[in-house]
Amino acid sequence: GAGVSQTPSNKVTEKGKYVELRCDPISGHTALYWYRQSLGQGPEFLIYFQGTGAADDSGLPNDRFFAVRPEGSVSTLKIQRTERGDSAVYLCASSPDRGRTGELFFGEGSRLTVL
Amino acid sequence: DAKTTQPPSMDCAEGRAANLPCNHSTISGNEYVYWYRQIHSQGPQYIIHGLKNNETNEMASLIITEDRKSSTLILPHATLRDTAVYYCIVSINNAGNMLTFGGGTRLMVKP
Repeated sequence: GAGVSQTPSNKVTEKGKYVELRCDPISGHTALYWYRQSLGQGPEFLIYFQGTGAADDSGLPNDRFFAVRPEGSVSTLKIQRTERGDSAVYLCASSPDRGRTGELFFGEGSRLTVL
Repeated sequence: DAKTTQPPSMDCAEGRAANLPCNHSTISGNEYVYWYRQIHSQGPQYIIHGLKNNETNEMASLIITEDRKSSTLILPHATLRDTAVYYCIVSINNAGNMLTFGGGTRLMVKP
């Protein structure tokens, strides 16, 4: 498709389990972002990739969270030993690296529920 | 990034103009004003951005005061589909633009 694709759209897991969330950015967009959105709040920045490398991971809350983008396209957000407080919508966005760099294109998110 | 202040909620009658204010009194000279909106259960959607001059596109108009300490997003003829949370963000316009979202304004367009 033409937009940012995220899978799964919904994920229910138990406390302590491992979870992977996938993001397929818009073709040709070298910048990729992960955000997290809790109920009733605005999106919160987690990590930014430029190409294959994580240029800024200052938003990752702790070392249970990790993200990769091995070929500079698809990215996976990985959460180890999930906790109930990790329940949120995880949003991915991409943007071109020149010109309208402030125009982020968001996917519809992956809703994670940790029981 | 500079902090923004927006009213938590607003109502607007369908067909009328919706004027959404935003205060950003600590904005720096190289920071742009961005507006995004988020319709229920969807990801945020870019609307418009500007630096100093007023801007208009097919979705909205952005009016920035001369001192750049505040701005207004105008939806000229609001429809029910414009019901959403609107976020005003100030940020530099570079690659790696980590936009910082606040609480936004929940706009309810009523018939």
